[in-house]
Amino acid sequence: EDQVTQSPEALRLQEGESSSLNCSYTVSGLRGLFWYRQDPGKGPEFLFTLYSAGEEKEKERLKATLTKKESFLHITAPKPEDSATYLCAVRPSGGSYIPTFGRGTSLIVHP
Amino acid sequence: GAGVSQTPSNKVTEKGKYVELRCDPISGHTALYWYRQSLGQGPEFLIYFQGTGAADDSGLPNDRFFAVRPEGSVSTLKIQRTERGDSAVYLCASSSGLAEYNEQFFGPGTRLTVL
Repeated sequence: EDQVTQSPEALRLQEGESSSLNCSYTVSGLRGLFWYRQDPGKGPEFLFTLYSAGEEKEKERLKATLTKKESFLHITAPKPEDSATYLCAVRPSGGSYIPTFGRGTSLIVHP
Repeated sequence: GAGVSQTPSNKVTEKGKYVELRCDPISGHTALYWYRQSLGQGPEFLIYFQGTGAADDSGLPNDRFFAVRPEGSVSTLKIQRTERGDSAVYLCASSSGLAEYNEQFFGPGTRLTVL
């Protein structure tokens, strides 16, 4: 069974204080690992897809990296508008098109 | 519209009642997913469509849940004999295909409360 564990559950940062969110996964062959941002009362918003170990992707203050067991979402010099829940999901290889999501990390950035 | 829309945004019903939740995907998107999200949890897969047919409904919790997409566009999630445990946010997502490189676009969700 595919599993995704995100840590920490919640993270409070001061504006400008860089940190990383972790997504550990167990999957029978990785087709893709996805990061989403979710604001309160809204649906998840796509950020990145990573496909293989060693891959990195960046978008503004966010950088996602991938190893064979986990992914990190690095947030550099965060701003209050980066406050949200960050979700990680994996898709297994093979014929399944079903993603498994983690519980998310709730990030609050204080000004 | 420009994005995925879901109606109603909120639905309050009584235990035992029937409800329908609607999803309007992005025009031209052939793949459509339904998820359920409880407080403090990530989205949980329910069912997905490729075109008009339900390609995989293995996430539906029981036979009270059913979903249709008769013309390959709008989809309706139907829940019979609602139970308090059905209370959650129901999310719909669409994409231009099922491949992992086809980004999923989520709607804002329908918050279902069963009293």
